[in-house]
Amino acid sequence: SYVLTQPPSVSVAPGKTATITCGGHNFGSKTVHWYQQKPGQAPVLVIYYDTDRPSGIPERFSGSNSGNTATLTISWAEAGDEADYYCQVWDSSGEHYVFGTGTKVTVL
Amino acid sequence: QVHLVQSGAEVKKPGASMKVSCKASGYSFTNYAIHWVRQAPGQSLEWMGWINTGNGDTKYSQKFGGRVTITRDTSATTAYMELTSLTSEDTAVYFCARNQGPHGGYDAFDIWGQGTMVTVSS
Repeated sequence: SYVLTQPPSVSVAPGKTATITCGGHNFGSKTVHWYQQKPGQAPVLVIYYDTDRPSGIPERFSGSNSGNTATLTISWAEAGDEADYYCQVWDSSGEHYVFGTGTKVTVL
Repeated sequence: QVHLVQSGAEVKKPGASMKVSCKASGYSFTNYAIHWVRQAPGQSLEWMGWINTGNGDTKYSQKFGGRVTITRDTSATTAYMELTSLTSEDTAVYFCARNQGPHGGYDAFDIWGQGTMVTVSS
């Protein structure tokens, strides 16, 4: 089955930029969505279709997708950005959604 | 406001079945598909399936081998997920989530329920 690989953890200083990657085979042909999940809460959509932001999500969150890697970038990181982040794609060959392994972001 | 409100936590015996509900409000229920996603303790998210709330069509993850059934009651604007033949590996938080459009596949999940903890233990 299709596998999406993310780094287990990313640390960032307040005010700096955090970059979270998501890799998979033949990624460039897939569109990626990103979710933020804080402890004990449901996931929240932060980026959809590679680069789009839902209303209410700060412009500090941005996404890109090229080649075999998608990237979620958090600019000017804040303490409130500490959470787990998951990427997601629709695998059309297997006809199922796949989530990444997840990345824990710590703002030091 | 758009909300998905799920039923409460459950404890089940191995071999039993579970059924979780997801009550939608604040939008036209039949215009958006509903997905079910689960998360085992300390693990990533796992997609289980979706239902087209307009016509009732469903799509399931093959991983569950026919153990999962998703239904909906349009008059009650509620979706349901039933999982049978439970084992300890089914212990997880179960979420419902709204699809961005009427059909699953490609779209993101823009609204999530609060989650329902299901514990399977003898």
